[in-house]
Order: sequence, then structure tokens, then C-alpha cells
Amino acid sequence: EIVLTQSPATLSLSPGERATLSCGASQSVNSFLAWYQQKPGQAPRLLIYDASNRATGIPARFSGSGSGTDFTLTISSLEPEDFAVYYCQHRSNWPLTFGGGTRVEVK
Amino acid sequence: EVQVLESGGGLVQPGGSLRLSCAASGFTFNTYAMSWVRQAPGKGLEWVSSISPSGVSSYYADSVKGRFTISRDNSKNTLDLQMNRLRGEDTAVYYCARGRAGTTGTLDNWGQGTLVTVSS
Repeated sequence: EIVLTQSPATLSLSPGERATLSCGASQSVNSFLAWYQQKPGQAPRLLIYDASNRATGIPARFSGSGSGTDFTLTISSLEPEDFAVYYCQHRSNWPLTFGGGTRVEVK
Repeated sequence: EVQVLESGGGLVQPGGSLRLSCAASGFTFNTYAMSWVRQAPGKGLEWVSSISPSGVSSYYADSVKGRFTISRDNSKNTLDLQMNRLRGEDTAVYYCARGRAGTTGTLDNWGQGTLVTVSS
């Protein structure tokens, strides 16, 4: 089973600041990594697939990068609606696994 | 508009059974893989099971293998999860999710979830 480790666990930032979230894999997942956003009481929403491709309707301030074992989700300038929990997830093999999540909170 | 809507959650005793359903609309159901993902209260996301568009292939997390069965009815656009021998650690919100076109493991549309509580 591939273990995904997200850091930091919590990121405290102000609106307008840049957010950089990391996801590390215990073995290579090639580029088969996705990022999801989840707000309280809501279902997760796909943001980025295959490491760097924005899903339909996702604003350009969200970008993903990386390959192999190290990945980054960047939010270039935080909007009020971006404060949420973010999860990475691989589809390299079975079982699919998720990272533990990074909470982006208002500083 | 793509929609997936879960139903069937509730309170069940340890050792009991429950069947979750997911009704899909707004897309050609029989061309998309489907999955179940769960989230225990206050915890992160855990993948549970996936099934291929035809239903021929299915995959399970070790934590549910042998107890849960995923199935689909492409004539009715429905996805099911039969859960047997339920345990307290199965308590979670269960989400139905569609696989992105041409893939199984990228989940591009999610339902709002249905809560399963396993308790005596």
C-alpha cells in the first residue's frame, strides 16, 4: 500500500497570501496524483488530476506540480472560499489511498 | 448536470448488515467507473471500493474485503454497496463518486454522502 504524507497538517494564512501544500508518496506514483478540497459538511471536490491538470471549473489560482514521490498544490492568492481541508490521493495501483489532509485556516 | 445521490444509511448493530445505494443521472452511467469512499467522524477520507464500467472488475480496501460487496445495475443507473458483518470502525459518512472518464481512480463527481452508524 502506498502511503501519502501531507504537510503541514495546518497552514495558517491570510486572504491574498500564497499557500503551498505538500504531498509525499512512499513510492513512485508517476503523475497519478489528484488533489481534492473539502469544506465542512460538504463532499470533497476534485481540484487537480494527474498532478498538474485542473479539473473542470477550477480557478487558475490553483495549480499542481510534481511527479514520482513529491507533489505540491499551490494556491497563488487565497480567496475567502479557499479556507478548507485539502487531500491528495493516488491512483497508481490498488488500493487507492488518500493523504491525511492539510487544513488551510485563516490566520 | 451530473448527479450522484446516496441512500440507505442508518443505525445498525455490530454484526449487522446494511445496503447503500447510489442513483446516478446526467451522464452515460455504463461508461464510467464508480467508487465508494468513506469518512469517519472528524477523520480523513478512506477509499472503500471501486467497480469498472461493465461491472466485471471490482476492487476493495483490505479493511472491508470479504465483508462488503460493490455492484452496479447499468439498466437502472444505480451503484450499490452491500455491507455485512459491520463493525464500530465502519461508522462513517459513505460517499458515492464517479471516476473521471477513462480512469477509475480519479473521482470527479461526488454525492453528498449517507451516514452509517454501527452501534449497539
